[in-house]
Amino acid sequence: EDQVTQSPEALRLQEGESSSLNCSYTVSGLRGLFWYRQDPGKGPEFLFTLYSAGEEKEKERLKATLTKKESFLHITAPKPEDSATYLCAVQSISGTYKYIFGTGTRLKVLA
Amino acid sequence: DADVTQTPRNRITKTGKRIMLECSQTKGHDRMYWYRQDPGLGLRLIYYSFDVKDINKGEISDGYSVSRQAQAKFSLSLESAIPNQTALYFCATSATDGRVYEQYFGPGTRLTVT
Repeated sequence: EDQVTQSPEALRLQEGESSSLNCSYTVSGLRGLFWYRQDPGKGPEFLFTLYSAGEEKEKERLKATLTKKESFLHITAPKPEDSATYLCAVQSISGTYKYIFGTGTRLKVLA
Repeated sequence: DADVTQTPRNRITKTGKRIMLECSQTKGHDRMYWYRQDPGLGLRLIYYSFDVKDINKGEISDGYSVSRQAQAKFSLSLESAIPNQTALYFCATSATDGRVYEQYFGPGTRLTVT
C-alpha cells in the first residue's frame, strides 16, 4: 500500500536555527513527490516537485532533496514568517494517479 | 482574483440537512479533486474528476456525492450531514498532459455539523 510518513510532527526553531523536515514514502513506483506549505485556515500552497532520486530544488531559504525512500525539506536560517505546516505528497504510477499526503510537520520559528 | 475559489468559506449546519459545497477554477485544468482535512489525519481524498464525464470515488466517498457541471466547476454534496463530517474541505485542481503536475488548492470550507 502506498504510504507517506512525515517527521517530526512538530518542530520549534529559533530564528536562524537551520533544520530539516523528513518525508518517508512507500510507493509501487514514484511519478513525483511534492512539497506544500499550509498556513492556518488556508489551502496548501505548492512549493516543489521532485521526480527522481538525487534531484534538488531550492526556493529562498528552502531546499528539497529526494532519495529512493525519502525526501528532506531543509530550512536554512529560518525566519518567523516560515512558520507553517509543511505537507509532503506523492503521486504513484499505479492505479489512477492519485496524490497521497502525509500528515505534515508543524513548524514554529521563534523570533 | 484567486485561481481556485470555494463557497461558502464557513458553514454551520444541523444533522440530517443536505448541504452543497462549490468549487470554481480559472486555471483551465481538467482534473479536479475534493479533500477533507482533519487534525492528525491529513488530507484525504473524497472524489476526483479527470474531466466532465469522468468521476471517481476516493478513499472516503461514503456519505458524499459530487457533480462536475463544467470543466471549471465541481460541487460536493452531503446528502444527510452527520457530526463526523465536521472538517475542513478543500477543492484542488491539476493540469494533465501525461506529465506529473502539482495540485492547486482553494482556500477551503470549514464545515461544522451540529
